[in-house]
Amino acid sequence: AQSVSQHNHHVILSEAASLELGCNYSYGGTVNLFWYVQYPGQHLQLLLKYFSGDPLVKGIKGFEAEFIKSKFSFNLRKPSVQWSDTAEYFCAVSENMNTGFQKLVFGTGTRLLVSP
Amino acid sequence: DVKVTQSSRYLVKRTGEKVFLECVQDMDHENMFWYRQDPGLGLRLIYFSYDVKMKEKGDIPEGYSVSREKKERFSLILESASTNQTSMYLCASRQGQGDEQYFGPGTRLTVT
Repeated sequence: AQSVSQHNHHVILSEAASLELGCNYSYGGTVNLFWYVQYPGQHLQLLLKYFSGDPLVKGIKGFEAEFIKSKFSFNLRKPSVQWSDTAEYFCAVSENMNTGFQKLVFGTGTRLLVSP
Repeated sequence: DVKVTQSSRYLVKRTGEKVFLECVQDMDHENMFWYRQDPGLGLRLIYFSYDVKMKEKGDIPEGYSVSREKKERFSLILESASTNQTSMYLCASRQGQGDEQYFGPGTRLTVT
């Protein structure tokens, strides 16, 4: 079964610092990859996704992620964080079930605190 | 704009009570999901539905059941609530395989 690891559980940065959040998954083959964000008091929303093509994916709010197939990784990056990026970030990877249905497997999340 | 709504933001129930959590989506999505979110554990899939009246177990279905009588509505049922079911419950929907999932605001359930 697919598993997703987010190694950093809590990250604290100052504004303007660069951000990289790690995400590794266990099972190879064709996967769809997602990063979701949950701002305080808000619902989960999609930051970016990768299905195929250019392994460097750009998302909303200046975020990007790079898919490295050989490393089973999909790390999230932002060159310069803002206080408003304070949130919890979840990596998710698709998994095909025996029935052919595709579900998402989520990582445990990384809480980012950006101090002004 | 896709909207997924959940019937309650906060709910407090007693051990042994039957609990209904309702979720409604307004975009005619085929697939709907129930997750629970716990600190340090991320999101775990409880049940999903790929069509009306069709449902499948997710990774942690024990103690839960679901109902999908209409396309837009997906209910999660705790037959006899227990304290270990205290959690945040998230509903999500998507149009089809590989599509983005849209999440509701969540229901924070406390079982005392």
